[in-house]
Amino acid sequence: KAGVTQTPRYLIKTRGQQVTLSCSPISGHRSVSWYQQTPGQGLQFLFEYFSETQRNKGNFPGRFSGRQFSNSRSEMNVSTLELGDSALYLCASALTTSGRGDTQYFGPGTRLTVL
Amino acid sequence: QQQVKQSPQSLIVQKGGISIINCAYENTAFDYFPWYQQFPGKGPALLIAIRPDVSEKKEGRFTISFNKSAKQFSLHIMDSQPGDSATYFCAVPNTGTASKLTFGTGTRLQVTL
Repeated sequence: KAGVTQTPRYLIKTRGQQVTLSCSPISGHRSVSWYQQTPGQGLQFLFEYFSETQRNKGNFPGRFSGRQFSNSRSEMNVSTLELGDSALYLCASALTTSGRGDTQYFGPGTRLTVL
Repeated sequence: QQQVKQSPQSLIVQKGGISIINCAYENTAFDYFPWYQQFPGKGPALLIAIRPDVSEKKEGRFTISFNKSAKQFSLHIMDSQPGDSATYFCAVPNTGTASKLTFGTGTRLQVTL
């Protein structure tokens, strides 16, 4: 089975621009979560989508948004980029049909640099 | 809001030694406690996970010990190898929202020859 894929792998943007990141989950997985990883703050949860609906949300400003499509693929958008948005953005997929904790499988991440 | 404390921040172990990383959480969590391993330039990969109906789980050289009453769990790496050099994260699902993981701050492990 193919793993979680994320595109693009690297991205350079300037302040004020917006960016869209893409994630394709493992086949059959319906949950997609997004995380931000920085040296200072570590791994922080952004939001989770399940069956095209946002199910959970972390403590990030409204500039961070996402969506999920009917094929479970997900996109994350960051508007009005700030220097502090430079980070590794990770996508994780999970089956989550049991109602119990399911393993989350991470993609390789998208390295976003904001200049 | 789930809080997770992970220690130590960094660890240097000789080849063949035992690496021990600890995690403590504050709020009553869901029933799944994973450890992730991350190499530079890669996403975190699930290493081993435990459900709290057992106190210990072993997979090869990796063992999780879980103390539900103390709200602590630890990762033991036996016979540590240079290839184990990576950053390790514990994670705790938030109550009622198992898909939302709160991660520890990470432990950078270096295994020397």
